[in-house]
Amino acid sequence: EAGVTQSPTHLIKTRGQQATLRCSPISGHTSVYWYQQALGLGLQFLLWYDEGEERNRGNFPPRFSGRQFPNYSSELNVNALELEDSALYLCASTTGSTDTQYFGPGTRLTVL
Amino acid sequence: GEDVEQSLFLSVREGDSSVINCTYTDSSSTYLYWYKQEPGAGLQLLTYIFSNMDMKQDQRLTVLLNKKDKHLSLRIADTQTGDSAIYFCADNNAGNMLTFGGGTRLMVKP
Repeated sequence: EAGVTQSPTHLIKTRGQQATLRCSPISGHTSVYWYQQALGLGLQFLLWYDEGEERNRGNFPPRFSGRQFPNYSSELNVNALELEDSALYLCASTTGSTDTQYFGPGTRLTVL
Repeated sequence: GEDVEQSLFLSVREGDSSVINCTYTDSSSTYLYWYKQEPGAGLQLLTYIFSNMDMKQDQRLTVLLNKKDKHLSLRIADTQTGDSAIYFCADNNAGNMLTFGGGTRLMVKP
């Protein structure tokens, strides 16, 4: 069974640009979670999508947004990039009936 | 808000047991998790424990939960060099989001 996949693996942008990160959940999983792992800040919850709806949001500004598609894959968009957005962005999925989150390999975003 | 704390670093010799500790503050957590992160990689789920359990064993891994003290530990028996990684404890709370500790870097010396 394929795990959670994320693309791209690495992404380099400059300040002020927009970044789009993608996540495909494990087959049969309907919930997708996004986390940011920034140096010195640890792992922080960003967004939770379930059945196409945003269910919960962490303490991040509105320029962090996303969506979930009918096939349950998800996009994370970061607008007006700032240097401190440089981080590893991790996506996780669950079935919705269990709390156990399975993580993808992450996308490393570097903002120059 | 919820707070999860871990010690930063642990060094052991190959073949010894490793014990990684974690404390949390949210008494409403349903599950508590241990994840492993190797350099440049995502998080690998190692094991989890339901909040009404005291102990769970899974091959070389033993998880102990003291709900009264809000203390969680992960014991790795016969630690190998391949176990060198960062270990995160996490708990779920309202909204299903995970709150992570800061991670414990385990170094296994040959």
